[in-house]
Amino acid sequence: QSVLTQPPSVSAAPGRKVTISCSGSSSNIGNNYVSWFQQLPGTAPKLLILDNNKRPSGIPDRFSGSKSGTSATLGITGLQTGDEADYYCATWDTSLSIGVFGTGTKVTVL
Amino acid sequence: EVQLVQSGAEVKKPGESLKISCEGSGYSFSHYWIGWVRQMPGKGLEWMGILFPGDSDTRYSPSFQGQVTISADNSISTAYLQWSSLKASDTAIYYCARQTSSSINDAFDVWGQGTMVTVSS
Repeated sequence: QSVLTQPPSVSAAPGRKVTISCSGSSSNIGNNYVSWFQQLPGTAPKLLILDNNKRPSGIPDRFSGSKSGTSATLGITGLQTGDEADYYCATWDTSLSIGVFGTGTKVTVL
Repeated sequence: EVQLVQSGAEVKKPGESLKISCEGSGYSFSHYWIGWVRQMPGKGLEWMGILFPGDSDTRYSPSFQGQVTISADNSISTAYLQWSSLKASDTAIYYCARQTSSSINDAFDVWGQGTMVTVSS
């Protein structure tokens, strides 16, 4: 049972924008950085966002991250068919002293 | 190039032991936390545990404490995940991943390709 809650799925037409929420608590998102991962079918997860809103080298600026209180959000603009994947948020939980992943969100491009 | 290369797929019977590996290259292995992540068939990512090769400090998720052992051999830049007695419910893909720094609460920036473990009688 994950401590971070994400919507199971989101969808939009090509070129549109989607946002994915990640809801936690003060022991995790509220006091730690959030990262986001993209997992294309049959592949290992890939880091998209770290430290709430920073993009690693090579990640296009269509991907953005933000955090407010105990929730975080991943935004994807200019949606492309290649963005169809599962997306996970992650952070550290200070109370549990472990890392935690979100429940995951499947993005579908209509 | 920073890389993590994992050992190949395994097929085991319930009750058997197993040790899978994750070899790091292109960076100073002992200076970065390495974690293990489970993904059961059709399911999400689960944080299992993490180890700092420099001093072998290891943390486990309560869900996996006592069920697996995480270790490393700095001399060959390799981390390990092992089971003493596998169960059918251990069937999953296991990923190793490196954290971005020596801070335990940082993000996983480099991932291995995954090791599929199948446990079946």
